[in-house]
Amino acid sequence: GESVGLHLPTLSVQEGDNSIINCAYSNSASDYFIWYKQESGKGPQFIIDIRSNMDKRQGQRVTVLLNKTVKHLSLQIAATQPGDSAVYFCAENSGIIQGAQKLVFGQGTRLTINP
Amino acid sequence: NAGVTQTPKFRILKIGQSMTLQCTQDMNHNYMYWYRQDPGMGLKLIYYSVGAGITDKGEVPNGYNVSRSTTEDFPLRLELAAPSQTSVYFCASRRTSGSNEQFFGPGTRLTVL
Repeated sequence: GESVGLHLPTLSVQEGDNSIINCAYSNSASDYFIWYKQESGKGPQFIIDIRSNMDKRQGQRVTVLLNKTVKHLSLQIAATQPGDSAVYFCAENSGIIQGAQKLVFGQGTRLTINP
Repeated sequence: NAGVTQTPKFRILKIGQSMTLQCTQDMNHNYMYWYRQDPGMGLKLIYYSVGAGITDKGEVPNGYNVSRSTTEDFPLRLELAAPSQTSVYFCASRRTSGSNEQFFGPGTRLTVL
């Protein structure tokens, strides 16, 4: 079945540095991928998505890269700030049923920002 | 807009008890979802709904039931609570078109003892 996994469960970076969070996926039929941020005690918050026909997409301070050849997804956060400390999840859309998404989430990577 | 609200925030159940987790959204979204999140893990889809009166199973539906009588509300029912249902439950909603973003509620932390 589908699986979405992460290479590293934890990541620590210095404030102001760039962060790169990686994700591997297995379902080559997934038509898009989403990154979510989850702060402690809160629900996940949408960051950015990318369609499977794209290699790169940029948002505000974030860039997502998609490498379909090796089924790899990454989230780059520029100039990380203390507010970026959270768990980051990648999710792949495993199907559309009557228009509804069926997302498969990875385990998550905890990002810690050191002052 | 309050967004997606969930009640209760916390609950402790005894094995075999029943309860309903409430979820309400005020964004007029057609799509609604229930997920569970076990410690240190990602979210798993329990049930989803594409509109009032229409629901379907997700990845882990066993032990749960849902209903969708209105656009706003999507309650999740646990009939015979088991320790394996100890988890954090998140409700989410998404508009019909134009965005892949799901809006999540703050979650309900459920412990079954």
